[in-house]
Amino acid sequence: GIQVEQSPPDLILQEGANSTLRCNFSDSVNNLQWFHQNPWGQLINLFYIPSGTKQNGRLSATTVATERYSLLYISSSQTTDSGVYFCAVGKGTSGSRLTFGEGTQLTVNP
Amino acid sequence: KAGVTQTPRYLIKTRGQQVTLSCSPISGHRSVSWYQQTPGQGLQFLFEYFSETQRNKGNFPGRFSGRQFSNSRSEMNVSTLELGDSALYLCASSWAGGQPQHFGDGTRLSIL
Repeated sequence: GIQVEQSPPDLILQEGANSTLRCNFSDSVNNLQWFHQNPWGQLINLFYIPSGTKQNGRLSATTVATERYSLLYISSSQTTDSGVYFCAVGKGTSGSRLTFGEGTQLTVNP
Repeated sequence: KAGVTQTPRYLIKTRGQQVTLSCSPISGHRSVSWYQQTPGQGLQFLFEYFSETQRNKGNFPGRFSGRQFSNSRSEMNVSTLELGDSALYLCASSWAGGQPQHFGDGTRLSIL
């Protein structure tokens, strides 16, 4: 199956700092999503981005499908950004079968 | 537009019992997928249903089963519960396979 690697595994920031999270995947995909899981376990959909670049407020994401990686940028981080960020990919007719990375645990300190 | 609704939110069972979890997808979504999240194994795919048919299945034992109704609502059943089944069970819906998936708040199952 597809392998998904996320880095770094842990990240501690001061409020206001910027960060970049990376996701590498081992095969071509037609589905790639970034999620934020808050401390209550809710998995929030940030981006659906199998290729290209998208921005939503302080967050943006870029996927370079030919090189099999995706980046999530967080600018001017806030304490509410804390949580685990997951990258998940799917391929072919099973694009709905998502394979998740192990996540990046982000802690933003005031 | 209502999101994905999972019930119940919390559940406590004992070993050997069985449990049924429910998931109501976003209106118009026909694909429902189930995932198990544990500290040791992370998020793992259980199965996907589309138009009342199981379309994909993960690597879980036969004790884990599911079904989907004509209104796209889905249920997941786990029989003969084991301590290792303690987990957060998440349901996701999408309009069709490969489209963005939207997750419910999950059911946290604890096995005593």
